[in-house]
Amino acid sequence: GNSVTQMEGPVTLSEEAFLTINCTYTATGYPSLFWYVQYPGEGLQLLLKATKADDKGSNKGFEATYRKETTSFHLEKGSVQVSDSAVYFCALRWRDDKIIFGKGTRLHILP
Amino acid sequence: SAVISQKPSRDICQRGTSLTIQCQVDSQVTMMFWYRQQPGQSLTLIATANQGSEATYESGFVIDKFPISRPNLTFSTLTVSNMSPEDSSIYLCSVDHGAGANVLTFGAGSRLTVL
Repeated sequence: GNSVTQMEGPVTLSEEAFLTINCTYTATGYPSLFWYVQYPGEGLQLLLKATKADDKGSNKGFEATYRKETTSFHLEKGSVQVSDSAVYFCALRWRDDKIIFGKGTRLHILP
Repeated sequence: SAVISQKPSRDICQRGTSLTIQCQVDSQVTMMFWYRQQPGQSLTLIATANQGSEATYESGFVIDKFPISRPNLTFSTLTVSNMSPEDSSIYLCSVDHGAGANVLTFGAGSRLTVL
């Protein structure tokens, strides 16, 4: 079945550091891929998405590229800020089926 | 995108009681989804609620424990019945962002603590 695996957290970085959060998936066909973010005390917000191979999603300085050959959708940001501290969820969705989430990666950014 | 309001935002409940969570959407949507997020865990789909039909429950979730109503295209409720401390979680309502967008929009969640 479909599944999402993302790197274990927590991840702790200093402000302005480079961020990578790895995400790989298992799915038939070409699912849509997402990164959601959950800030402390809040619900989930869509951060970015990609719907087909080689698409790059980007938002708020974050980006991720849909890599069919490696079944990956790694999240990157060149220079993180304290305000980026949150939990990040990689997810996939096959057409109108349910979204499948990874376990989440907690990110702490130190000033 | 749709705007979702959930109530209550948080509650503290006694073991053995039931609590109903409300989800109101500012536009008509076909499917509404209820998720559970246990402490420190990812989101797990409880059920999909379609207007005019019975909700579809995922493996491990049953209607007697999590009855769902969907009286119209903008509203749904989830009841957590006969609660135990293991039901302490955040419960989230979500809907499709819009036709063809394939994106889910989430409410802010209802944080339940069962003593």
